[in-house]
Amino acid sequence: SQQGEEDPQALSIQEGENATMNCSYKTSINNLQWYRQNSGRGLVHLILIRSNEREKHSGRLRVTLDTSKKSSSLLITASRAADTASYFCATDSGSARQLTFGSGTQLTVLP
Amino acid sequence: EAQVTQNPRYLITVTGKKLTVTCSQNMNHEYMSWYRQDPGLGLRQIYYSMNVEVTDKGDVPEGYKVSRKEKRNFPLILESPSPNQTSLYFCASSLWGRNTGELFFGEGSRLTVL
Repeated sequence: SQQGEEDPQALSIQEGENATMNCSYKTSINNLQWYRQNSGRGLVHLILIRSNEREKHSGRLRVTLDTSKKSSSLLITASRAADTASYFCATDSGSARQLTFGSGTQLTVLP
Repeated sequence: EAQVTQNPRYLITVTGKKLTVTCSQNMNHEYMSWYRQDPGLGLRQIYYSMNVEVTDKGDVPEGYKVSRKEKRNFPLILESPSPNQTSLYFCASSLWGRNTGELFFGEGSRLTVL
């Protein structure tokens, strides 16, 4: 079963704009991770935020986590055409199965 | 270079013809997992393994088998493939422990069952 659900399912923006994607989940977590997938390729890890953290930055990425609302957001600032990809959140609930993925947000950055 | 290698990358087969998708990682990771990705359904876990000779079912294990005889390899076996197993398959690995780290993914294996 899917733990994380991303919103929106698809997002189209102009180059230079910021892109925000949201993830909601159902059960308590140890950490939440964001992954990127270029079309038809393997997923690549972007950033991990632990349950006791509220915000984390990595380059142009900013991730927030609100455990009371069971939600996270991924902000990509000053987007580029190369950021066009699908973005997935994945939750680690501490079970042996490790990560559970959402259905993803398809981001298109128009040049 | 740290990597997860899957083979074949592309395969077209017919119903009932047994096939194996291989997965190998060179990072000495304990944890390995198989996912399938279908449009609108995201990634669904098929099987996972926490170490050699330790495997368990994920969300959609029906029609699949796995084995973990060596730490680096985790093959996915389709004993009698059916068209509903047409999908994009990913193998992934990570360190295992309380502080779960990132998953490293292979490039995917696109399987078509006719």
